[in-house]
Amino acid sequence: SQQGEEDPQALSIQEGENATMNCSYKTSINNLQWYRQNSGRGLVHLILIRSNEREKHSGRLRVTLDTSKKSSSLLITASRAADTASYFCATDPSMDSSYKLIFGSGTRLLVRP
Amino acid sequence: DVKVTQSSRYLVKRTGEKVFLECVQDMDHENMFWYRQDPGLGLRLIYFSYDVKMKEKGDIPEGYSVSREKKERFSLILESASTNQTSMYLCASSLFDPRDEQYFGPGTRLTVT
Repeated sequence: SQQGEEDPQALSIQEGENATMNCSYKTSINNLQWYRQNSGRGLVHLILIRSNEREKHSGRLRVTLDTSKKSSSLLITASRAADTASYFCATDPSMDSSYKLIFGSGTRLLVRP
Repeated sequence: DVKVTQSSRYLVKRTGEKVFLECVQDMDHENMFWYRQDPGLGLRLIYFSYDVKMKEKGDIPEGYSVSREKKERFSLILESASTNQTSMYLCASSLFDPRDEQYFGPGTRLTVT
């Protein structure tokens, strides 16, 4: 099974509302990253949070990391139609020496105008 | 801004054909990656390269090979395309540490008939 799993798989909200997505993982990590993918396009890096950080902000994005629960959340405040996309978490397992990120299968966010 | 470009957005090939997917990055990144993305499976790493002529197998290397003759260019080769290789292929690069922020190309949607 995958290291990072997002929840929910799909989310539909009204423009202006907040959107929260969660990512759970199984083993200890060095860092966790969130990416966005617009339909049929490549991924765009949003934010990286390291294992010794608890919270990080970037514009309307807020990411939290709880290493004791092995989970992270991505909050998008005051959502816009342009935020409609899939959101992926990617983890860097600290016990894995293979130097690769492990991506989850994503949350599909629909922001209705 | 880092730019990662892929040679084709859409490609249709026949079973048994040899297929070349090319990726170019313009920011002197050390690491380059090839992923495939399938619905419900997230991104899976096929190969990555940490230097010219250096490569490492990812999770699903079977049926693929790669070539990195120049630092900016990373090619994915399907030696004999099969229908189960129909997928979205994403190229990415990262500066020094392969587990840090990755920059993605727009993707190539390959259909093998």
